[in-house]
Amino acid sequence: DVKVTQSSRYLVKRTGEKVFLECVQDMDHENMFWYRQDPGLGLRLIYFSYDVKMKEKGDIPEGYSVSREKKERFSLILESASTNQTSMYLCASSSRWARGSGANVLTFGAGSRLTVL
Amino acid sequence: AQSVSQHNHHVILSEAASLELGCNYSYGGTVNLFWYVQYPGQHLQLLLKYFSGDPLVKGIKGFEAEFIKSKFSFNLRKPSVQWSDTAEYFCAVMENRDDKIIFGKGTRLHILP
Repeated sequence: DVKVTQSSRYLVKRTGEKVFLECVQDMDHENMFWYRQDPGLGLRLIYFSYDVKMKEKGDIPEGYSVSREKKERFSLILESASTNQTSMYLCASSSRWARGSGANVLTFGAGSRLTVL
Repeated sequence: AQSVSQHNHHVILSEAASLELGCNYSYGGTVNLFWYVQYPGQHLQLLLKYFSGDPLVKGIKGFEAEFIKSKFSFNLRKPSVQWSDTAEYFCAVMENRDDKIIFGKGTRLHILP
């Protein structure tokens, strides 16, 4: 029944390392999102993608990049990890917006908790 | 840019008490509104949503929310809470012309048995 799968539940990395967070969905959704969740700050949108090879910056894209080479897969990349990127990272997907429909309900993965030392 | 404001960061109630969690958003156009819930150790999941029509929407587990356009609000209510409602609740908004969904900072609800 798993629909959005994040490859790593827990990661520990060192400052300056390159980090890849992988996300795969099996619902044929057009949209995919990366959020980070921090206590007291809620969910903040990092990047999202409407289609393969398309990406849009969210509210906090600095220090991150993304890749979407296939419809089902959306990767978040930290080129040089820093301690302030220690967080829970949530991947989500949704179908394309359509007025009055049930579209745009996000399905979330379990999250990847990243610690940067 | 649109934003979402949740008034209460942490709410503590006894079982059977009534609940109302406030949510306001900043966007002036047509919006879609959501409440998501995260139970301890579980994924975020949809509680209820508003797209159009009746501004009073009902969700799972006895929750409901009312969209008041003039107040830019979408408050979540439940007449009688249970211990199992202990969770973090997030309000979210999406502009009608966009697929991007923005979340509030969340309200952590703790129900005393």
